[in-house]
Amino acid sequence: GENVEQHPSTLSVQEGDSAVIKCTYSDSASNYFPWYKQELGKRPQLIIDIRSNVGEKKDQRIAVTLNKTAKHFSLHITETQPEDSAVYFCAASWDSSYKLIFGSGTRLLVRP
Amino acid sequence: DGGITQSPKYLFRKEGQNVTLSCEQNLNHDAMYWYRQDPGQGLRLIYYSQIVNDFQKGDIAEGYSVSREKKESFPLTVTSAQKNPTAFYLCATGQGGETQYFGPGTRLLVL
Repeated sequence: GENVEQHPSTLSVQEGDSAVIKCTYSDSASNYFPWYKQELGKRPQLIIDIRSNVGEKKDQRIAVTLNKTAKHFSLHITETQPEDSAVYFCAASWDSSYKLIFGSGTRLLVRP
Repeated sequence: DGGITQSPKYLFRKEGQNVTLSCEQNLNHDAMYWYRQDPGQGLRLIYYSQIVNDFQKGDIAEGYSVSREKKESFPLTVTSAQKNPTAFYLCATGQGGETQYFGPGTRLLVL
């Protein structure tokens, strides 16, 4: 079945630096890739998503890139701020599937 | 996200007791999901339902049961067969192959 691997498991950056989280998926039929942010004790919230017909998508300081050939997609956060500190989950899905396959999560710490 | 409610926020279970977690949505989404999250861990799928009166087991269904009698509601029962139920339980809704939106969660603790 589909599997999503996420790296790194923890990431510590200085405020203002960039952060990159990478996910690799196994099923080439996957065509939808959301990213969620989960603050401590809260629910996961969608921050950005991308479909397989697009190579890159940006929303202010966050961007997601997709490499279909290599079957990996990445989250890029620029000019990091302390409020970006959270756990980030990637996921993958495909048409006709009702399931999202989640990565194991990355704990991002932004040091002031 | 505001259209998904979970209750209670905290729930305490005694040994041998069945408890039911509520999930209600007004987003008119067809699909509903239950996830379990242990401290510092990821999301594990318990059960999901694509349509009323139908549901499928996820990766960790043992010790849990669900029903889907109405489109808006997808309650989860944690049975006494679930020996280690302490976790954060998240309900989600979605429209097949699309984004899933999460409720605020229920934290279950064992007395």
